[in-house]
Amino acid sequence: KAGVTQTPRYLIKTRGQQVTLSCSPISGHRSVSWYQQTPGQGLQFLFEYFSETQRNKGNFPGRFSGRQFSNSRSEMNVSTLELGDSALYLCASSLGTGYDGYTFGSGTRLTVV
Amino acid sequence: DAKTTQPNSMESNEEEPVHLPCNHSTISGTDYIHWYRQLPSQGPEYVIHGLTSNVNNRMASLAIAEDRKSSTLILHRATLRDAAVYYCILRPLYNQGGKLIFGQGTELSVKP
Repeated sequence: KAGVTQTPRYLIKTRGQQVTLSCSPISGHRSVSWYQQTPGQGLQFLFEYFSETQRNKGNFPGRFSGRQFSNSRSEMNVSTLELGDSALYLCASSLGTGYDGYTFGSGTRLTVV
Repeated sequence: DAKTTQPNSMESNEEEPVHLPCNHSTISGTDYIHWYRQLPSQGPEYVIHGLTSNVNNRMASLAIAEDRKSSTLILHRATLRDAAVYYCILRPLYNQGGKLIFGQGTELSVKP
């Protein structure tokens, strides 16, 4: 079966711009989570959506937002980009039952210049 | 959120077994123990998870201490493709909406 698909794979943006990243989960998975990975902070949880509702949110500023569509696809938006937002952004999908494993995508590498 | 402690790095020889330890002394009764690994330039990959009993799958085995305060991920025959960062994570059964808390993990290197 197809895995978790993230687009685009690479992105270069300028400070102050905004960006939208996309994640298509595994078919049948209703939960999509987003993570930011940087060399200094490691993997940090951004937020999770389940059936179009945000269930949980990490400690990130309001510039980071997301949404989930009725087909479970999710988008993440970052507004007013800062240099420190340069990172690998990963999404993960799961059934959302609470004890199943997560399947991660390969990520979107965002560079802010 | 309960925390896990892992060694920063470990080395193994190819085709030998590898035991990756994890301490989680503050684990609660409903926390599942999950292991993920991340190969270079890839997203994390689910390896195995368990609650109380030892678990086996095609990738690895998970040995859980009787008091559940520690666990060990066992790779039975390490290959070069097993070189990765391994994360031990506690996930509450009635979890707070999909949140996985990643520590620094153990970087496993495999020598031919």
